[in-house]
Amino acid sequence: QKEVEQDPGPLSVPEGAIVSLNCTYSNSAFQYFMWYRQYSRKGPELLMYTYSSGNKEDGRFTAQVDKSSKYISLFIRDSQPSDSATYLCAMRMTDSSYKLIFGSGTRLLVRP
Amino acid sequence: NAGVTQTPKFQVLKTGQSMTLQCAQDMNHEYMSWYRQDPGMGLRLIHYSVGAGITDQGEVPNGYNVSRSTTEDFPLRLLSAAPSQTSVYFCASSYGGTGVYGYTFGSGTRLTVV
Repeated sequence: QKEVEQDPGPLSVPEGAIVSLNCTYSNSAFQYFMWYRQYSRKGPELLMYTYSSGNKEDGRFTAQVDKSSKYISLFIRDSQPSDSATYLCAMRMTDSSYKLIFGSGTRLLVRP
Repeated sequence: NAGVTQTPKFQVLKTGQSMTLQCAQDMNHEYMSWYRQDPGMGLRLIHYSVGAGITDQGEVPNGYNVSRSTTEDFPLRLLSAAPSQTSVYFCASSYGGTGVYGYTFGSGTRLTVV
């Protein structure tokens, strides 16, 4: 079993829809949670991050962490065609190595 | 700032050949790492370094060597290329210390081993 599970998609939605992307994890020691966006043939770029449980909002993006359920989510409001990309969740424990463990990514397609 | 620079962008190797993937960052980041990305597998950590002179193995280190002689550079060496090493390789760096610091990724090296 992978430490971090993520539905690969693809997820296809119409422009303007609310998108929900999710990851589950098995290691309760994870403390820091991040979402990366990766456009085709590019490197991932950091989109959102949260520490421990709770919500964080940044513009059209909201990240949620539920540590009791070992479940994290990324919501995209008013989705745009430019949001079409692969979204990877990532997480790490509080240790000195800064190692990030990634999910396999969900491919999102926003149709005009 | 150039960020994280990876060279080459594309490479085709024959089985058994060796090569070095270059990675350089100009942000004075302490932490650097190499990942490989394969379809359905996500990003898997190969090797990482928390500072010059310090390296350690990640999840899939076999067949790869690294060294960190300077803060800026973190090359990845393939000792004897195998078709299973066909992948996209990403170098990433991060500021050290506690707290939430995201990685800055390079644009990747697409490697094919025939």
